[in-house]
Parts: sequence; C-alpha cells; structure tokens
Amino acid sequence: GNSVTQMEGPVTLSEEAFLTINCTYTATGYPSLFWYVQYPGEGLQLLLKATKADDKGSNKGFEATYRKETTSFHLEKGSVQVSDSAVYFCALNAGNNRKLIWGLGTSLAVNP
Amino acid sequence: ETGVTQTPRHLVMGMTNKKSLKCEQHLGHNAMYWYKQSAKKPLELMFVYSLEERVENNSVPSRFSPECPNSSHLFLHLHTLQPEDSALYLCASSQEASGGWETQYFGPGTRLLVL
Repeated sequence: GNSVTQMEGPVTLSEEAFLTINCTYTATGYPSLFWYVQYPGEGLQLLLKATKADDKGSNKGFEATYRKETTSFHLEKGSVQVSDSAVYFCALNAGNNRKLIWGLGTSLAVNP
Repeated sequence: ETGVTQTPRHLVMGMTNKKSLKCEQHLGHNAMYWYKQSAKKPLELMFVYSLEERVENNSVPSRFSPECPNSSHLFLHLHTLQPEDSALYLCASSQEASGGWETQYFGPGTRLLVL
C-alpha cells in the first residue's frame, strides 16, 4: 500500500543552521508529494508541493526535490529562523482522488 | 473572516454529552473534509463532502455524525464519545476540478477532551 515515512523528531537547531527533514514514500503509480507545516495552535498550511519526478517545490526558503529513483522528498532550508519552529508533515496523493497519505510529522525547534 | 474557521477552538465534554463542531470556509471551495489528529498517529481522514454530498466515510464510528448543509459549512455532531476520541479535529476545504486534485486548506482545529 501507499505510505510515507518521515524522520522522527524532535529536531532542535540553532538559528541560521541548515535544515534537512527526510521523507521517503511507497506508492503505486506516480504520486504528487507535499510538505505541510503546522505552527503552534494553528491548522496545517501547504508549504510546497511537487507533482512529477525531478520537480523542485520551493517556498519561504524551503525546498524539496521529487526523487523517484530514491522515492524521497526531503525538505531543506539553508538558514532556519526561530519563526520556523513548527511541525512539518510530508504527504502524498497517489491518484486522482481526495485522499492524502500522511507522515507522522517532525517537530522542529529553532533556538536563538 | 478569511480562509477556514472552526468553532469552538477548545471543547471539554463528558461521555454522555452531545455537542457539535462547526467549520466554515470563505474560499468558495466545493469540497470539505473532517480529519482527526492524534499524538503519535498519522492524520486520519474521517469524512469528505463534495458538492454537499458525502463521498467518503472512512469507517468512522457512528457516534460521529457529519452534516454539510451547504458548500460553505460543515458540522461534526458528537454524542456518547469515548475518552480515546480526545484529539484535535481539523476541517479542510478544497476546490475540486475535473481531472485534478487541488490543495486542501485547513482550519485551526478544535481541541476536544472527552472525560
């Protein structure tokens, strides 16, 4: 079946450090891939997405590249800020339907 | 109001109570969703409404009863809940187009505690 595996948190970094949150997936066909972010006390927001192999999604300094050969969609940011502290969710949509398959989320804490 | 709003933001109820969660979307979307978010578990899709018709019901216990009176409003009626139903309940909406699947936009959630 379809599944998403994210690295376990929490991840704690100092401001301006480099961030990588790993995400790998298992899916039939050609899924679309997403990163959502959940700030404290808020709902989930779409951070970026990629719909086909080798696509790079980017937003707010975050990037992720759809790697079909390694079935991965790792999230990266070159220099994190305290305001990036949140929970990050990787998800996939494996067909033309409404169902997203979610990872467990990775909590990120950035210290000044 | 913009985006997706949910009320109440917090709710404490006993197992014999009846309560309702409300969701309203101000985005002109035609699909709405209820999710359950529990600690240490993936986000669980509970119900999907498209054009006010329920199109998915993922084996949710009957003590949860959704209602979608129009494309902007979605309710989740709760009765005789169990303590394990304590969670964050998220509402989302999207604009469905033929042949495509669009981004889901989430509300802030209702934090439910069942005593």
